[in-house]
Amino acid sequence: GAGVSQSPSNKVTEKGKDVELRCDPISGHTALYWYRQSLGQGLEFLIYFQGNSAPDKSGLPSDRFSAERTGGSVSTLTIQRTQQEDSAVYLCASSLDMKAERYFGPGTRLTVT
Amino acid sequence: QKEVEQDPGPLSVPEGAIVSLNCTYSNSAFQYFMWYRQYSRKGPELLMYTYSSGNKEDGRFTAQVDKSSKYISLFIRDSQPSDSATYLCATSSNTGKLIFGQGTTLQVKP
Repeated sequence: GAGVSQSPSNKVTEKGKDVELRCDPISGHTALYWYRQSLGQGLEFLIYFQGNSAPDKSGLPSDRFSAERTGGSVSTLTIQRTQQEDSAVYLCASSLDMKAERYFGPGTRLTVT
Repeated sequence: QKEVEQDPGPLSVPEGAIVSLNCTYSNSAFQYFMWYRQYSRKGPELLMYTYSSGNKEDGRFTAQVDKSSKYISLFIRDSQPSDSATYLCATSSNTGKLIFGQGTTLQVKP
């Protein structure tokens, strides 16, 4: 079946602009996660959603970052007033529930110039 | 101190060698352990998933968890050039937050 999809695959933006990154999870998966991966680094947790529960936002690096999940499916990660240090690959994952295996999308490569 | 420590390598081995990849973690509450493989410019792909201590084998791959020493390992037998990738260990407690190691870059030379 279809896996996790993310769009766009690449995004180049100017410093100070806002960007939106989209994630379409696997159908039926109630849990959705956002991670950030900087060059040569491991994955940094940002936020996760589990069903109708309040999201765990403990990994968001600043208040410029926000995410929402509409209708328990598609999620959007928004970065306001982008900075050069925001340049990274943003990865989305989903799972049946928070204890189950997580499946990752291909990521969005964000470059802030 | 990072919650999960992993030597970034790079690790270079000849084809057919046995590869050992390792991570240590600090939080004794962690009980779910995973290994992911990531090819260049791709998302991580789940290789192995284990709960609590013990071994799990899947083909050429064996995952080991020793909770007493907070040590997790991945062994690859008869390594192939196609195994060349970055391998990431990850762990979590009962929450949804999965903590990753930095990743080890492996190169298997023909």
